Amino acid sequence: GQNIDQPTEMTATEGAIVQINCTYQTSGFNGLFWYQQHAGEAPTFLSYNVLDGLEEKGRFSSFLSRSKGYSYLLLKELQMKDSASYLCAPVDSNYQLIWGAGTKLIIKP
Amino acid sequence: GAVVSQHPSWVICKSGTSVKIECRSLDFQATTMFWYRQFPKQSLMLMATSNEGSKATYEQGVEKDKFLINHASLTLSTLTVTSAHPEDSSFYICSASLGEWDNQPQHFGDGTRLSIL
Repeated sequence: GQNIDQPTEMTATEGAIVQINCTYQTSGFNGLFWYQQHAGEAPTFLSYNVLDGLEEKGRFSSFLSRSKGYSYLLLKELQMKDSASYLCAPVDSNYQLIWGAGTKLIIKP
Repeated sequence: GAVVSQHPSWVICKSGTSVKIECRSLDFQATTMFWYRQFPKQSLMLMATSNEGSKATYEQGVEKDKFLINHASLTLSTLTVTSAHPEDSSFYICSASLGEWDNQPQHFGDGTRLSIL
């Protein structure tokens, strides 16, 4: 079956760094998306990885290891507005995104 | 770029009413649009995938006669919840992509919060 495993909730301090891990099992693999979703709002696109390695985009970086079925999202210089859910969504062989429940990130002052 | 507009944002109506939700890609042509439903604290659930000019592909368990999808142009898809009941109350979100068989990200509308009394 298809499965995504992310921590349900994480807490971090403003200004710090946090890493949100995601392990996945899918039927085939065509890359992995990370989305941010604030409470009561629709998701917004953060990153896409299809090759192994680290992709950096400002304060956010995303890493992928296809052989391990593993990805992480790294958030630096945390701001209060980063409090949101972060969704890891791998793409299967049919180019369908597989959605998990995401990780709720709480930022404290 | 890649802005998706969804309307209305909120709907409150009586049981038995049909509700239409519009999803527009404002600055690009969307070959494929997706309709999702999300219950509180749960993951996004894909309801259907629609391609312009063809019938939508519904996910297992989604009633196509209850959730009517029309993708009449490359910039507009509509979802009609027919004869809505309280159990249909949810957060409905559309997304649009440049293609279905490539890895373009899906860009989401702001969602429609539907409450059936």
